[in-house]
Amino acid sequence: IVMTQTPLSSPVTLGQPASISCRSSESLVHSERNTYLSWFHQRPGQPPRLLIYKISKRFSGVPERFSGSGAETDFTLKISRVEAEDVGVYYCMQATGFPWTFGQGTKVEI
Amino acid sequence: QVQVVESGGGVVQPGRSLTLSCKTSGFTFSETGMHWVRQAPGRGLEWVATISFNGNDRQFVESVRGRFTISRDNSENTLYLQMNRLRVEDTALYYCVKDFTRSWTLDSWGQGTLVTVSS
Repeated sequence: IVMTQTPLSSPVTLGQPASISCRSSESLVHSERNTYLSWFHQRPGQPPRLLIYKISKRFSGVPERFSGSGAETDFTLKISRVEAEDVGVYYCMQATGFPWTFGQGTKVEI
Repeated sequence: QVQVVESGGGVVQPGRSLTLSCKTSGFTFSETGMHWVRQAPGRGLEWVATISFNGNDRQFVESVRGRFTISRDNSENTLYLQMNRLRVEDTALYYCVKDFTRSWTLDSWGQGTLVTVSS
């Protein structure tokens, strides 16, 4: 399953919203009826960290300004008000089928 | 507190072998699936392999299938990645990652160990 993110680069303004799209080459609805789409954030020099799983569930400790939405093949990560610590690269990942695959990454910079 | 610490990276010639280790703590390793994810210098993330909690199920990305083996020692809380017939394109930072049980995602990442394949 090929994951395609847009845009690949996103200049943002502090305090303003930001949005990243992720599209899969086929439906991510699993036979169990769950959709295994996750979002990760990677700061320079750091490992990625999990933000969102199963489309819209925020992982423990993730600020409420991060939200995920979507269905089937089209998904979105939104940041309601960008903060300085949100810079870095964001990746979507599907785990509905093996091999698990990531999007190319979207670089967010102020 | 969950900790995953990779080791074993280094510089190796094409065609040679290398084994990575990942020592874990802070969770019940024997009940948790584990993964390896890699990131080539300046590039994005690539999922490499996974092993189920008991070692009975393993999956690989096509580019490493038949060359890489994933294994685990539940008595030592340690994950391994044996890499054979290494290629230049295997050069990457290799992350050991804990599975978020029943959620089909990756919730705790190590700092990674760098593998450089070069003649």
